[in-house]
Amino acid sequence: NAGVTQTPKFRVLKTGQSMTLLCAQDMNHEYMYWYRQDPGMGLRLIHYSVGEGTTAKGEVPDGYNVSRLKKQNFLLGLESAAPSQTSVYFCASSYSFYPDPYEQYFGPGTRLTVT
Amino acid sequence: TQLLEQSPQFLSIQEGENLTVYCNSSSVFSSLQWYRQEPGEGPVLLVTVVTGGEVKKLKRLTFQFGDARKDSSLHITAAQPGDTGLYLCAGADSNYQLIWGAGTKLIIKP
Repeated sequence: NAGVTQTPKFRVLKTGQSMTLLCAQDMNHEYMYWYRQDPGMGLRLIHYSVGEGTTAKGEVPDGYNVSRLKKQNFLLGLESAAPSQTSVYFCASSYSFYPDPYEQYFGPGTRLTVT
Repeated sequence: TQLLEQSPQFLSIQEGENLTVYCNSSSVFSSLQWYRQEPGEGPVLLVTVVTGGEVKKLKRLTFQFGDARKDSSLHITAAQPGDTGLYLCAGADSNYQLIWGAGTKLIIKP
C-alpha cells in the first residue's frame, strides 16, 4: 500500500501561471481533503470531498478549484497563481467523519513557491 | 469561528525531562485528535479523545480531554530525542472539518 501520494513534490511558478496538484489514495477512502500549511498558522482546509463527484469549500477556498472524478484521486488547481499561495500543500484522506472523525492519512506534501 | 490555541509554540528541553503542551479553545468540540509531524512529512495521528475527562496513554505520552471538551493536554514523561517534532491538535466540528491548532514545535536535546 502506497497510502496517499502527491505529485509534484516541489514546484516554482511565476505569478499568473496555472498548475494542478494531484493526490491519489489506495485505501478506498470516501473523504479527501486539501490543506495548506504556513508557518505559525497550522493547517487550513482549502476544499474537501465526501465522495466521488462531490466537492465542498473549506476555510480558505479562494483562488483554488478541485475535482474528484474518481474515488481515488483528488485534484487541486490554481488557475492564476499569486505570491500569497506560496505554501506547503497537503492532501489527506479518511474513511469517514461520523460519529467521530477517523484518522486522516496525509501525503508527503507539495512545496509551492510563487514568484 | 472556532479556534484552537496551542501553547507553548516552541519548547526545547533535555532528554529525560518531562513536559506538557496544551490545546485550548472557547468552543466545545465533539472530539479532539493529536498528530505529530516530522520535517518534510505529513502529520501522523497519535490519538483521538472523545469523552470529556478521558485520559489515554501511548507509552510515555499521556493525553487528556478536558471535562468540558474545550481543551486538551499532552504530557510526555522522560522525553527522548525521537519525540522531536511538531505536535498538532485538531478538533472536530459539525461540517466534516477538523479545526487545527498552530502546533507546538518540540526539540529534545540528547
